[in-house]
Amino acid sequence: DAKTTQPPSMDCAEGRAANLPCNHSTISGNEYVYWYRQIHSQGPQYIIHGLKNNETNEMASLIITEDRKSSTLILPHATLRDTAVYYCIVRGSQGNLIFGKGTKLSVKP
Amino acid sequence: NAGVTQTPKFQVLKTGQSMTLQCAQDMNHNSMYWYRQDPGMGLRLIYYSASEGTTDKGEVPNGYNVSRLNKREFSLRLESAAPSQTSVYFCASITILTSGSYNEQFFGPGTRLTVL
Repeated sequence: DAKTTQPPSMDCAEGRAANLPCNHSTISGNEYVYWYRQIHSQGPQYIIHGLKNNETNEMASLIITEDRKSSTLILPHATLRDTAVYYCIVRGSQGNLIFGKGTKLSVKP
Repeated sequence: NAGVTQTPKFQVLKTGQSMTLQCAQDMNHNSMYWYRQDPGMGLRLIYYSASEGTTDKGEVPNGYNVSRLNKREFSLRLESAAPSQTSVYFCASITILTSGSYNEQFFGPGTRLTVL
């Protein structure tokens, strides 16, 4: 079973920041949190990952709470092309990604 | 680099037919994975290969077999297809860093399989 829980859907206005929450209350101390997204049933695309410090790359920022029980993915200026299903994932023991149902983000004009 | 490639892109089978899904990666990755995705669901692991010459079952292995042909290629075989195997199949690969941690996992474009 997925080790994370996410809201099933969210809306965001184009140009505004999209903040996608994730709960992972059972995460262990050495487990990373990964974020992927899937557009139109294409293969999932890596966005970002982190352990305990906040992370930023050219796509997004990841904010992890101090207790590591939750995190937020931030898309700073959402565009229509960011409409996708976003998955918050804690990796399985075999290196595989354990997917839940994710959050369907709809970016609207 | 082509990344992870999969063939075919689409396939329609009749119940009982067999077929092999092909996957190849050109990133020199150690580990390769096969997932399936049913409508409205996340991906589920079928089989994986941690390194060349090894394969192991994932969450939903029944009805499938795999072969890690070499470091580049990892195939998935359906011996006797059933309607319950109608799904989108994704292959993925990753390299495990010397520290024991993982880098990003790369996915192929998927194979859309329908079993009638």
